[in-house]
Amino acid sequence: DAMVIQNPRYQVTQFGKPVTLSCSQTLNHNVMYWYQQKSSQAPKLLFHYYDKDFNNEADTPDNFQSRRPNTSFCFLDIRSPGLGDAAMYLCATSRDPGLKNIQYFGAGTRLSVL
Amino acid sequence: GIQVEQSPPDLILQEGANSTLRCNFSDSVNNLQWFHQNPWGQLINLFYIPSGTKQNGRLSATTVATERYSLLYISSSQTTDSGVYFCAAVPQGAQKLVFGQGTRLTINP
Repeated sequence: DAMVIQNPRYQVTQFGKPVTLSCSQTLNHNVMYWYQQKSSQAPKLLFHYYDKDFNNEADTPDNFQSRRPNTSFCFLDIRSPGLGDAAMYLCATSRDPGLKNIQYFGAGTRLSVL
Repeated sequence: GIQVEQSPPDLILQEGANSTLRCNFSDSVNNLQWFHQNPWGQLINLFYIPSGTKQNGRLSATTVATERYSLLYISSSQTTDSGVYFCAAVPQGAQKLVFGQGTRLTINP
């Protein structure tokens, strides 16, 4: 089945140790999004790629970076994770960011920072 | 920016009951989606419904765009319906989904 796949499902890292989260899609969608979701809160958009164009949200910390080497894959890099970065990270895709922006989500990666 | 407000914040029901979840939005929207976040954290698409009414099994949704609200109906609730229900909207002229704070639904056996 076509889907959005996130790996790993659970990630444990140490304070300050760089970590990379992975997202892949078989939907051939143009747009890929990364969201951060903390406990009992709504998902918060960090950034998105429309094809190769990177769009950062104004309040996304510099500690968070992203790469999209091809249509299918997108990575979230956290350069120096702090305790406050422990959260669920959700990847989503949509065909385009325009009028019919239907987003499809992966299962998420739950990040713990020790 | 647009405000998306959901009510109630929490809802506890017995299996078999019906429920109505509400989503109000403060501005005109191009897109409105309902999601169910299961206990493992995955957001499952329920409806894409910028206007009108749709039904899918025991679930249905209605959006009245002119009055800026959407309703999600769940009939004959099952324990597997438990989780958090989010509505999210894309304001006209924007490209970003804005999420409400969610309704946490608990269905007890």
